[in-house]
Amino acid sequence: KQEVTQIPAALSVPEGENLVLNCSFTDSAIYNLQWFRQDPGKGLTSLLLIQSSQREQTSGRLNASLDKSSGRSTLYIAASQPGDSATYLCAVNMDSSYKLIFGSGTRLLVRP
Amino acid sequence: DAGVIQSPRHEVTEMGQEVTLRCKPISGHDYLFWYRQTMMRGLELLIYFNNNVPIDDSGMPEDRFSAKMPNASFSTLKIQPSEPRDSAVYFCASSLSGGASGELFFGEGSRLTVL
Repeated sequence: KQEVTQIPAALSVPEGENLVLNCSFTDSAIYNLQWFRQDPGKGLTSLLLIQSSQREQTSGRLNASLDKSSGRSTLYIAASQPGDSATYLCAVNMDSSYKLIFGSGTRLLVRP
Repeated sequence: DAGVIQSPRHEVTEMGQEVTLRCKPISGHDYLFWYRQTMMRGLELLIYFNNNVPIDDSGMPEDRFSAKMPNASFSTLKIQPSEPRDSAVYFCASSLSGGASGELFFGEGSRLTVL
């Protein structure tokens, strides 16, 4: 059974710092992996999707990497801003059905 | 497009009452998902539909839960009778198969409190 773990559970950094959020999964036979952002009381917003054949994806200040063989993904946020404060979740898809398995998230606080 | 629309945003009910949550997916999307989010268990997939047909309902907790999708623009999740342990945020999401990214688009959720 696939299990997705995110460490740390919470992170507090000063504005401007570069940071890395970690996601690990137990079954490396994934179809793709997505990173989401969730603001309090809101739904999830997709940030980046990495297909199993890809190593990384970039969008603005965000860069997500995928190492299937080791069962790990990282989300790198450059020059963090207070507006980046949110919970970040990773989710893996085991096939083309979009049946995502979520991690428990990392709650990020960027202090001004 | 307005995105995925869910109603009600908040629902407070008493144990034993019937609860109906509603979802309008993004127009043209052919996949629809119902998720439940709690502090203890995180996000769990309850059921998903493809072209209005339920594909996998293995995540539905028990027979008190049922979901329907009578047409491409509307789905309901019903709990009858409701129990306090059903208190959670219920999310609907939709996706377009064959899309370049395969992204899921989420609604803002329905927060259910069962007293």
